[in-house]
Amino acid sequence: EAQVTQNPRYLITVTGKKLTVTCSQNMNHEYMSWYRQDPGLGLRQIYYSMNVEVTDKGDVPEGYKVSRKEKRNFPLILESPSPNQTSLYFCASSDLDRGASPLHFGNGTRLTVT
Amino acid sequence: AQSVSQHNHHVILSEAASLELGCNYSYGGTVNLFWYVQYPGQHLQLLLKYFSGDPLVKGIKGFEAEFIKSKFSFNLRKPSVQWSDTAEYFCAVNALWRGSTLGRLYFGRGTQLTVWP
Repeated sequence: EAQVTQNPRYLITVTGKKLTVTCSQNMNHEYMSWYRQDPGLGLRQIYYSMNVEVTDKGDVPEGYKVSRKEKRNFPLILESPSPNQTSLYFCASSDLDRGASPLHFGNGTRLTVT
Repeated sequence: AQSVSQHNHHVILSEAASLELGCNYSYGGTVNLFWYVQYPGQHLQLLLKYFSGDPLVKGIKGFEAEFIKSKFSFNLRKPSVQWSDTAEYFCAVNALWRGSTLGRLYFGRGTQLTVWP
């Protein structure tokens, strides 16, 4: 089954404790991206990647890191989480296909930083 | 940066009422346009998309949208809503440059639709 898998689904952590949210897709998509969803703000792009070893900043990259060492994986790293990073995070992937392909979303990771 | 505006934050309708959700974007070049739906507790799913051709596109579950280039709009419509359409709806725009994606997909802030049975 074609899917984007994020782990964990829920995560509660404390300020400053490094964490990684994993994302993996099995559709051989070139494009992967991370979004955060906050009430009233919709989805905001954190980072995206158009291929292996190619990553770029979205609208809200501060406090986050990503890497794309393999095509299927695109982990999101919070080196020193802060309470303002409490949010619902979605990973997504798609074919590049001139931007016409829709995004396939993971099920989300709800992060709480205390 | 490009922007996507969804004018209605929360829409409340009775079943069988007609729906129109507004979406406007700011990019002046070629765009691909999408509407996504998010049911409570779930991830976003594609409702419909436009990338070329007929500006009136049909999606799943009886939804359709019309791309009006001169108005930079991509409004979502449904003639008769059902209780099961209760969800949050997001408009998204992908800006193209010389035919290739810029890699940035911009989302509106979403419209919460509540349908009363």
